[in-house]
Amino acid sequence: AQSVTQPDIHITVSEGASLELRCNYSYGATPYLFWYVQSPGQGLQLLLKYFSGDTLVQGIKGFEAEFKRSQSSFNLRKPSVHWSDAAEYFCAVAGSGNTGKLIFGQGTTLQVKP
Amino acid sequence: EAEVAQSPRYKITEKSQAVAFWCDPISGHATLYWYRQILGQGPELLVQFQDESVVDDSQLPKDRFSAERLKGVDSTLKIQPAELGDSAMYLCASSLGQGSLASGTGEQFFGPGTRLTVL
Repeated sequence: AQSVTQPDIHITVSEGASLELRCNYSYGATPYLFWYVQSPGQGLQLLLKYFSGDTLVQGIKGFEAEFKRSQSSFNLRKPSVHWSDAAEYFCAVAGSGNTGKLIFGQGTTLQVKP
Repeated sequence: EAEVAQSPRYKITEKSQAVAFWCDPISGHATLYWYRQILGQGPELLVQFQDESVVDDSQLPKDRFSAERLKGVDSTLKIQPAELGDSAMYLCASSLGQGSLASGTGEQFFGPGTRLTVL
């Protein structure tokens, strides 16, 4: 069965510093992978997605993610974090059967220090 | 910009009471999803509709939860009776169609959620 693991529950970085959020997935075939961001009390917003092709994908708000099949990872990165990036970040994989069902990791809370 | 609407945004109820949540998807979106997000966890799919038909309700606790999408547009999720463990955020999402994630039609757009507290 598919699963997603986000090893870091909470991360704190200083404003202007670089960021990497880790995501590992378990899936037998080529996965469809997603990163979502959730601000407090809000729904989820799609940051970026990977289906195939170039393993480095660009998203909104200056985020990027790299798909590494050999490591079963899809880590999210940003070169310079802004205070407004403080939020919860979720990695997700599409379930089998192409029904659109998403399986989410438990999330990583990002805190940004001034 | 079209958005998924949900109401109420917050709901406080006592255990054993009935509670209902409403979702209005983006116009033209055939697929609708209800997710439950327990504090500190990622969302988990409860039920998926394609038009008015249920596609997946394998994780829906059917003894107390019910969902309907009678005309294939808006949807209602009901809990009766509510239990303390039901306290969570209930998220609704919609997409143009199920599957076809690579083409974009399966991309899900989420509403702001309903925060349920059961006392």
